[in-house]
Amino acid sequence: SQTIHQWPATLVQPVGSPLSLECTVEGTSNPNLYWYRQAAGRGLQLLFYSVGIGQISSEVPQNLSASRPQDRQFILSSKKLLLSDSGFYLCAWSVEGEQFFGPGTRLTVL
Amino acid sequence: GENVEQHPSTLSVQEGDSAVIKCTYSDSASNYFPWYKQELGKRPQLIIDIRSNVGEKKDQRIAVTLNKTAKHFSLHITETQPEDSAVYFCAASSTGNQFYFGTGTSLTVIP
Repeated sequence: SQTIHQWPATLVQPVGSPLSLECTVEGTSNPNLYWYRQAAGRGLQLLFYSVGIGQISSEVPQNLSASRPQDRQFILSSKKLLLSDSGFYLCAWSVEGEQFFGPGTRLTVL
Repeated sequence: GENVEQHPSTLSVQEGDSAVIKCTYSDSASNYFPWYKQELGKRPQLIIDIRSNVGEKKDQRIAVTLNKTAKHFSLHITETQPEDSAVYFCAASSTGNQFYFGTGTSLTVIP
């Protein structure tokens, strides 16, 4: 069966520091991969999605970037975090239409 | 692009009563409509979905209906229980690549 991993689970970072969040999927090939951000008490904001290695679509202009170096690996990065980057970051995958979420990373920027 | 609207934003029901959450979409090309349940601090979990070739789908106490003509779909929860309390999100997708989410409904089931 398919499994999606995200790490770290929680992260506290100072403003201006870099960020790297990793997501990996097991048990499936060539999935679509997604990064969402969820502010406290809010909805899901799509940040990036990828239909294949090296193919990244950005939905929202921001100081974040994404990369997909391998078929089942998706990385979210930032060179300099802002206070507004705090939130719950969710990686998701989809195959044949159904989308499933990873456990998430709770990021607090101080 | 697609625009999904979800109502109500908050909903309180007595235990045992039914709850209904409604979503509308704008893109007639959308053909897949999932519903997610998100408990506090956890990931959204897919609870039921419906494709455009079906008008209704049921799974125990939850059901989803779809009206393609009117471009709306609804989640129905019967015999609600306290553990049904959560935030529910609807979504729409046409390509299977992008999913457009509603803004969520916070459901509280009062014992």
